[in-house]
Amino acid sequence: DIQLTQSPSFLSASVGDRVTITCRASQGISSYLAWYQQKPGKAPNLLIYAASTLQSGVPSRFSGSGSGTEFTLTISSLQPEDFATYYCQQLNSYPRTFGPGTKVDIK
Amino acid sequence: QVQLVQSGAEVKKPGSSVKVSCKASGGTFSRYAISWVRQAPGQGLEWMGGIIPIFGTANYAQKFQGRVTIAADESTSTAYMQLSSLRSEDTAMYYCVRDADSGGFGAPYKYWGQGTLVSVSS
Repeated sequence: DIQLTQSPSFLSASVGDRVTITCRASQGISSYLAWYQQKPGKAPNLLIYAASTLQSGVPSRFSGSGSGTEFTLTISSLQPEDFATYYCQQLNSYPRTFGPGTKVDIK
Repeated sequence: QVQLVQSGAEVKKPGSSVKVSCKASGGTFSRYAISWVRQAPGQGLEWMGGIIPIFGTANYAQKFQGRVTIAADESTSTAYMQLSSLRSEDTAMYYCVRDADSGGFGAPYKYWGQGTLVSVSS
């Protein structure tokens, strides 16, 4: 199975900050990586797929990059509604594993 | 617009089974993979398995092999997940998810059901 790690697991930031989350895969997954945002009590929401393609309707302050084993999710200017937990997921092979999540909290 | 509507919350005894349904509307049911993802309280997301209804064969995470059965009924556009030999660690929110409209290999999970809370307690 492909293992995904995320760093940091928790980050405290202020509105307007630039935030970067890293996801690392235990083996190469090409660009088959997606990012999801989850708010408390809600189902996750797809933000980015194919490592860098922004899902329709997602604000342009979100961006993704990377390929192979290292990927990043960047929020260029953190907004109040962005405080949530973010998960990466590999879609290269089964099982479709998720990273452990990064919680973004208000500083 | 694709919608996934799941069955209601369940309370089960250890050792019993649970069957959760997921009815899809607004899209082509048969050609897109339906997967099941669970989330224990305060924990992360865990992929359990999935099925492409038109093919009918399910793919399961090793962890759940032998305990989980995923099926799909094309006539009613409904997918099912049955988990047996329940234990307290199976207490979680269970989500059905559908691939994005692009479909194909590596399609992400654009559509999520509202979740079904399964509680296992004696």
